[in-house]
Amino acid sequence: GAVVSQHPSRVICKSGTSVKIECRSLDFQATTMFWYRQFPKQSLMLMATSNEGSKATYEQGVEKDKFLINHASLTLSTLTVTSAHPEDSSFYICSARARRERGYEQYFGPGTRLTVT
Amino acid sequence: GQQLNQSPQSMFIQEGEDVSMNCTSSSIFNTWLWYKQEPGEGPVLLIALYKAGELTSNGRLTAQFGITRKDSFLNISASIPSDVGIYFCAGRDVSGTYKYIFGTGTRLKVLA
Repeated sequence: GAVVSQHPSRVICKSGTSVKIECRSLDFQATTMFWYRQFPKQSLMLMATSNEGSKATYEQGVEKDKFLINHASLTLSTLTVTSAHPEDSSFYICSARARRERGYEQYFGPGTRLTVT
Repeated sequence: GQQLNQSPQSMFIQEGEDVSMNCTSSSIFNTWLWYKQEPGEGPVLLIALYKAGELTSNGRLTAQFGITRKDSFLNISASIPSDVGIYFCAGRDVSGTYKYIFGTGTRLKVLA
């Protein structure tokens, strides 16, 4: 159990366009999902926390108007990168919080490689 | 954002050797998670720890929740080439926040 999928796995877009990335928890419900960004050879940087049925909570320095997050259901959260620029090129990874017998655990999706040309 | 101190940053070891890495925090945590990430993929959860002093194994991997609640250790015994990857610790502090803080990662390379 605790499988998280992401789509697409890779996307190339032109500067100025918008890109939507989907994150789904396949075998459990997730009221909370997280979106991370990872640069080469670096750790995971939390961008925002996505809460089902309410507005996302963004980390300091992350532009909420640029990175739109929608948590439409208990199994789906989407991240839309609006008016993408080359500096937005990165590896975006989502994770979903799962309640386990002893506590909460986070399960990650496989990531989405975004390249903006 | 805030990060944990994880060491070592990288390790080059011979196949068959044991590996040890750790994470330390300035604050007390109530949960520790250990992940492995391979190139181009998302992190995979290896072990979850919920209690100070807890020692948990997953195959050749063993992790411990430090008794001070400010650190955690991950050991890999008899390493094999497929152990290659980046290992991250993640901790959840006692303030009640649901967010996990991630370590800076330990990059492991195994020489056959």
